[in-house]
Amino acid sequence: EPEVTQTPSHQVTQMGQEVILRCVPISNHLYFYWYRQILGQKVEFLVSFYNNEISEKSEIFDDQFSVERPDGSNFTLKIRSTKLEDSAMYFCATLSSGGPGTEAFFGQGTRLTVV
Amino acid sequence: GENVEQHPSTLSVQEGDSAVIKCTYSDSASNYFPWYKQELGKRPQLIIDIRSNVGEKKDQRIAVTLNKTAKHFSLHITETQPEDSAVYFCAASRSGGSNYKLTFGKGTLLTVNP
Repeated sequence: EPEVTQTPSHQVTQMGQEVILRCVPISNHLYFYWYRQILGQKVEFLVSFYNNEISEKSEIFDDQFSVERPDGSNFTLKIRSTKLEDSAMYFCATLSSGGPGTEAFFGQGTRLTVV
Repeated sequence: GENVEQHPSTLSVQEGDSAVIKCTYSDSASNYFPWYKQELGKRPQLIIDIRSNVGEKKDQRIAVTLNKTAKHFSLHITETQPEDSAVYFCAASRSGGSNYKLTFGKGTLLTVNP
């Protein structure tokens, strides 16, 4: 069964440092997302990406965040200057063709710990 | 934007009993409602979903009902087993443009006691 792969599984970083989280989507998928889940809380939408551009971003996704798909395979989330409150599990999710009822496939997540 | 409310936040049942989790949504344009099961430290896993043109869907011990008029949908698990213990999230999304983002409820911690 195809799956979305995320690396690293766990990253510890010092406050103020830059981090890059990586996702390899399922090969024929066209829609890419990053979600965040703070420990014990709900999954929150960060950003959606389609046709090589951001289609929507949430209030959480401020100027410290950016996404790109530089080589046509990896889909990355960069946090320029991490804060303590960025500590969370970050999930990448992808969809094939879109439309109502299209299943989102989630990666296994990257646990980011900012110290 | 869409807002999804989920109740209860915790639910404890005896093995073999049924469990019901309820969600309401605010955006009448939402047309896709998946349910996810999340075990500790793992990714959300889709267990069942329903589209707005259907009122009910069943898959073995799991069923989902949708009331578009009232804007609520529910997850029903029958004959619960200890391995059903997990956090369950409902979500809603709508088609449109180039975005099919999911808006999640806050989750229900289901504990099935043997």
